[in-house]
Amino acid sequence: GESVGLHLPTLSVQEGDNSIINCAYSNSASDYFIWYKQESGKGPQFIIDIRSNMDKRQGQRVTVLLNKTVKHLSLQIAATQPGDSAVYFCAETTNTGNQFYFGTGTSLTVIP
Amino acid sequence: EPEVTQTPSHQVTQMGQEVILRCVPISNHLYFYWYRQILGQKVEFLVSFYNNEISEKSEIFDDQFSVERPDGSNFTLKIRSTKLEDSAMYFCASTRQPDYGYTFGSGTRLTVV
Repeated sequence: GESVGLHLPTLSVQEGDNSIINCAYSNSASDYFIWYKQESGKGPQFIIDIRSNMDKRQGQRVTVLLNKTVKHLSLQIAATQPGDSAVYFCAETTNTGNQFYFGTGTSLTVIP
Repeated sequence: EPEVTQTPSHQVTQMGQEVILRCVPISNHLYFYWYRQILGQKVEFLVSFYNNEISEKSEIFDDQFSVERPDGSNFTLKIRSTKLEDSAMYFCASTRQPDYGYTFGSGTRLTVV
């Protein structure tokens, strides 16, 4: 089956620094990707998405980069804040969009 | 901001019992989903639902599972005879279009004892 995985299970950064969270995917047919943030006791929260016809997309303090050649996705968080501490998942789907495949998750801890 | 609401937040049930997990999707959404997350593991797809029928289901979603939209607002997941391995967080999600990001609920923690 499809496989979406994260390179680092945990990441600790100093407040104010930039964070980079990485994700590898194996299904070359995937064409839509989302980064979700999950805080303790809550459901996944949409952060940013990107389609396969793009290689970069920016939001507020977040940027997603997509490298289809090596099937790699990254999430960059600028000026990381304590409120950014959470588990971050990448998820991917094909154009049917009926189900997303989630990665294992990276736990981000922001040190004040 | 519109929310997906799930009840109960935590349910404890005995093995072999039936449970119904309830969800109220966002009112103008048409596509509904159930996912689950076993503690410390990935979020896993269970089922998608559109136009009053299942669109897609995973191998996890066997004949012990069923979904229903009994009225215009609720979307339920039923597990007929729970097993210990059904213990997980169950997330409901909805969206207006299937290839856009979902809105997830806060989940129901199901504990089977």
